[in-house]
Amino acid sequence: TQLLEQSPQFLSIQEGENLTVYCNSSSVFSSLQWYRQEPGEGPVLLVTVVTGGEVKKLKRLTFQFGDARKDSSLHITAAQPGDTGLYLCAGASGSARQLTFGSGTQLTVLP
Amino acid sequence: GAGVSQSPSNKVTEKGKDVELRCDPISGHTALYWYRQSLGQGLEFLIYFQGNSAPDKSGLPSDRFSAERTGGSVSTLTIQRTQQEDSAVYLCASKRGAQEKLFFGSGTQLSVL
Repeated sequence: TQLLEQSPQFLSIQEGENLTVYCNSSSVFSSLQWYRQEPGEGPVLLVTVVTGGEVKKLKRLTFQFGDARKDSSLHITAAQPGDTGLYLCAGASGSARQLTFGSGTQLTVLP
Repeated sequence: GAGVSQSPSNKVTEKGKDVELRCDPISGHTALYWYRQSLGQGLEFLIYFQGNSAPDKSGLPSDRFSAERTGGSVSTLTIQRTQQEDSAVYLCASKRGAQEKLFFGSGTQLSVL
């Protein structure tokens, strides 16, 4: 069974601070996705990383895929209250049709 | 439709009753997934459809859970003899073929009393 562990589980910070969320596994994934989910809604895809060592930037969000494709990180610069939500990583492996989701990081950005 | 639609949005039922949850995927999306999410947690895979067939049912928790998909479109997830531990948000997602971007519905919040 492939497992993805996210840390921290909960994070509460002040507006303007920086933060990093981690997603780790002992398994290799062909690609890894990050989603954000707001209360009462389904997860929405933020980014997909495919290549080991790949770095993608989405405005104030920076995503990195580990060289061995077993881990990933999400860094948010100058967090804003609108960044509040549940952040989920999800890994895809070659033959499996479904994504394996991490347990999530609940981020709260206080004004 | 424009997005994945799920109904009902909320369902409260008594222990032992059967419930049926519905998912209307995005038109043209051949792959459909059901996930279960406990409060503030990650997503637990339940079942995957490609067209009307379900090549992967490995995530169904017990034989009380079943799902079907007809016409390559609408899917229903049925839970028989509901138990309190079945309480969760049930999320449906669809995608077009091999493309890996999943589009999720808003989910059905199931509460078993």
